[in-house]
Amino acid sequence: KAGVTQTPRYLIKTRGQQVTLSCSPISGHRSVSWYQQTPGQGLQFLFEYFSETQRNKGNFPGRFSGRQFSNSRSEMNVSTLELGDSALYLCASSLYGQWETGELFFGEGSRLTVL
Amino acid sequence: GQNIDQPTEMTATEGAIVQINCTYQTSGFNGLFWYQQHAAEAPTFLSYNVLDGLEEKGRFSSFLSRSKGYSYLLLKELQMKDSASYLCAVRDIRYSTLTFGKGTMLLVSP
Repeated sequence: KAGVTQTPRYLIKTRGQQVTLSCSPISGHRSVSWYQQTPGQGLQFLFEYFSETQRNKGNFPGRFSGRQFSNSRSEMNVSTLELGDSALYLCASSLYGQWETGELFFGEGSRLTVL
Repeated sequence: GQNIDQPTEMTATEGAIVQINCTYQTSGFNGLFWYQQHAAEAPTFLSYNVLDGLEEKGRFSSFLSRSKGYSYLLLKELQMKDSASYLCAVRDIRYSTLTFGKGTMLLVSP
C-alpha cells in the first residue's frame, strides 16, 4: 500500500512569508503527527491530529498551526516565517495514534529553507 | 519534561558488532522505541520495548532496563547499509506522544 506522502518536498521562502505543508497518511490511518527536524535539536514534536481533532501539541509558538480533514489528510501552516524555521518537517501516520501504538510511519518530509 | 541522551556519532567496521546506548529520564515511562533514518530518507521503525529485557529481531536487538532508565540497540554483522542515524524515542503516559533523542549517527566503514 502507498506510504505517507508529503508535499512539497522542497521549498524556499523568505522571512515574513507563510507556508502550508500537506501530508496524506497511509490509507486507513486516522492519526497524523508532525515533527520538526533540525541538526541541532533533532526531532521535535509539533502536534498530533486524530479524527480531525488536535490531540496533542508540542512546545512551539502559535505561528505553527495545523488541521486535519475528514479524509485524514493533514496540513500544517507556519506564518510569519523566521530564519530558524528552516528545517525538515516530517509527517507521520499511525492507525490509532501515538498513545496506542507508538509505531509511526513517516513521510520523507518537506524541507523548508527560509532566506 | 523528558531528557533523552544518546551519543552523537559512532564508527564501526563492516562485520563487527556495535551497541548504541540511550538513557532517559521520565516520570511516566510507557515504552521505548528505536528508529533508523538514512540520509535524506524517512525514519523507519526498528524495535519497541516496554518490559525489561532483550528483544531480538534478526541482526538487530534492543534491550531495556526501566529501573536504570537505559536502553541499547545492538547491531550485529554490520553492513555498509547500516550507516544511518539511529533515533531513540520514549513514550510518556503523561504526554501520550513520542519524544525523540537527537539521534546517533553510525558510520560503517569497510
